[in-house]
Amino acid sequence: DTEVTQTPKHLVMGMTNKKSLKCEQHMGHRAMYWYKQKAKKPPELMFVYSYEKLSINESVPSRFSPECPNSSLLNLHLHALQPEDSALYLCASSLGTESSYEQYFGPGTRLTVT
Amino acid sequence: AQKVTQAQTEISVVEKEDVTLDCVYETRDTTYYLFWYKQPPSGELVFLIRRNSFDEQNEISGRYSWNFQKSTSSFNFTITASQVVDSAVYFCALSDPNTGFQKLVFGTGTRLLVSP
Repeated sequence: DTEVTQTPKHLVMGMTNKKSLKCEQHMGHRAMYWYKQKAKKPPELMFVYSYEKLSINESVPSRFSPECPNSSLLNLHLHALQPEDSALYLCASSLGTESSYEQYFGPGTRLTVT
Repeated sequence: AQKVTQAQTEISVVEKEDVTLDCVYETRDTTYYLFWYKQPPSGELVFLIRRNSFDEQNEISGRYSWNFQKSTSSFNFTITASQVVDSAVYFCALSDPNTGFQKLVFGTGTRLLVSP
């Protein structure tokens, strides 16, 4: 099973709202990732978790707050977002963080900030 | 710095045509990994292939084949007898081994439209 699930599929939120995106994998992967993808662009890495610890934050604004409650779950908490944050948010996982491992992606959450 | 170039922004073909998607990469590392991903309209990126820098053998998987040539820093992807279901954006990516974790450097993607 090479499945990464994400909820919700679509999310519309106002700039004062607080919401969370969820990601789950049951492949025993120890690395999990959040990406942001704007239309007609490649995914941009936001965060990397390795063994449930935040390894990399690619200079992401603090209005995005990741959380890894356990090895299978990854959350992205959103607060006071801006309209330019509207995008497809993709979660991915890999067996480890070494450069040889392929990443498996979820279907994404399409976020619209009004 | 690492870089991946996919010069073809969009390709349109008719079903059953063969199509090649180009990927050219730049890296100073001797050990690196290359990947191809497919992103259909549904949104998720689907892993297609991984190739390490020491293995220049071409690979075939059904209608898909990949041609890796270190001499020209290219990792091209060919779909034989294309089908409508092949319509998607295809990304070539290079992993950066210097960051201590798996960071993918993506190309800008090639949108493939296969019409019946």
